Amino acid sequence: AQSVAQPEDQVNVAEGNPLTVKCTYSVSGNPYLFWYVQYPNRGLQFLLKYITGDNLVKGSYGFEAEFNKSQTSFHLKKPSALVSDSALYFCAGARGNAGNMLTFGGGTRLMVKP
Amino acid sequence: GAGVSQTPSNKVTEKGKYVELRCDPISGHTALYWYRQSLGQGPEFLIYFQGTGAADDSGLPNDRFFAVRPEGSVSTLKIQRTERGDSAVYLCASSRDRGNTDTQYFGPGTRLTVL
Repeated sequence: AQSVAQPEDQVNVAEGNPLTVKCTYSVSGNPYLFWYVQYPNRGLQFLLKYITGDNLVKGSYGFEAEFNKSQTSFHLKKPSALVSDSALYFCAGARGNAGNMLTFGGGTRLMVKP
Repeated sequence: GAGVSQTPSNKVTEKGKYVELRCDPISGHTALYWYRQSLGQGPEFLIYFQGTGAADDSGLPNDRFFAVRPEGSVSTLKIQRTERGDSAVYLCASSRDRGNTDTQYFGPGTRLTVL
């Protein structure tokens, strides 16, 4: 069984401040982890993924995420938030050994205030 | 290039009716996925195609749900005898091949409302 958890329903941050959106996972085998962003009435847009290698992954729009095996976490970060980053963020995981389905967390709404 | 497209964008139907939702994947992508996203939740996996065949349909909730991909490109998700609980956004995604490291690219979704 595999699961992905996003412990915060909403994160509020002021524009220009750093942001973190948390994600923890429970995946058998080698975990493959993804972050997606969803804007209103639009589909999911891919931000970044961790497959193997460097624990710090850089993605689109200045976002990055850090894979931490000991804490089973894959938190999304950005050094300086923009108002336009306000959206719904989803963490997802895929099993390393078999299967192509993504298991998604419940989502975290990011609100960046001017 | 063109992304994943889904039609219709919105579908309103009455309880008990039959509906078809269409997905057109990115050209050349052999893997295609269907997910369902209920209000306030993350997407949940329904079915995965590799080429024309359903490689994993473990997420289909019951036998009212069926999906096809006859030519290995466009896919249709079919729901019989719709129920109010089927109301959700149905998302389609595609990826280049079957590897589970491949990025899945999502379409805008079809919002299904069952009255």
